[in-house]
Amino acid sequence: AQSVTQLGSHVSVSEGALVLLRCNYSSSVPPYLFWYVQYPNQGLQLLLKYTSAATLVKGINGFEAEFKKSETSFHLTKPSAHMSDAAEYFCAVSESGNTPLVFGKGTRLSVIA
Amino acid sequence: GAVVSQHPSRVICKSGTSVKIECRSLDFQATTMFWYRQFPKKSLMLMATSNEGSKATYEQGVEKDKFLINHASLTLSTLTVTSAHPEDSSFYICSATGLAGVKELFFGEGSRLTVL
Repeated sequence: AQSVTQLGSHVSVSEGALVLLRCNYSSSVPPYLFWYVQYPNQGLQLLLKYTSAATLVKGINGFEAEFKKSETSFHLTKPSAHMSDAAEYFCAVSESGNTPLVFGKGTRLSVIA
Repeated sequence: GAVVSQHPSRVICKSGTSVKIECRSLDFQATTMFWYRQFPKKSLMLMATSNEGSKATYEQGVEKDKFLINHASLTLSTLTVTSAHPEDSSFYICSATGLAGVKELFFGEGSRLTVL
């Protein structure tokens, strides 16, 4: 069975500061890993995904994530937070790219001016 | 990327009525669609998997008679919440896959159901 743990249900950063959202996964097979962003009352937008290619994955809006097998982690980072980054972020894992995703509980990112 | 559209985006209904939510793949044939439910300030929980032309497979704890899923064509899946009650109020999101050679899920915009 696969699972995802997102450390910290709420993260608050100052505008311009580094964003770090943590995600650890558990999977019995090589995982596909995803980060999604959700704005209030909207669906999910894919930020980036890891599919067994490069371990450092670059996504949209300046976000990137690094797959570390030894740490079973896939943390999301952005060098400089913008006010528009304030949203809910979900890490997810699946066995392949088109099988059901197992989501973490989400981390709400607040950006303070 | 491929487009998945849900309708309606918001619906308010009275307790005891049934509500149908549509999930359409607009530019590809979706052989498989997944329905998720998201409680307020919570994560997404997989409700069921539907394959075109087959009965849906429900996750443990999801009442199949309460949440009727139909996937009659390669571009449309519907979720019907029967005899809705206030506890069914939630955000329902579908995702679809099936684009040839593409291993990716595409998500709809979500449908917010409020049962009064």
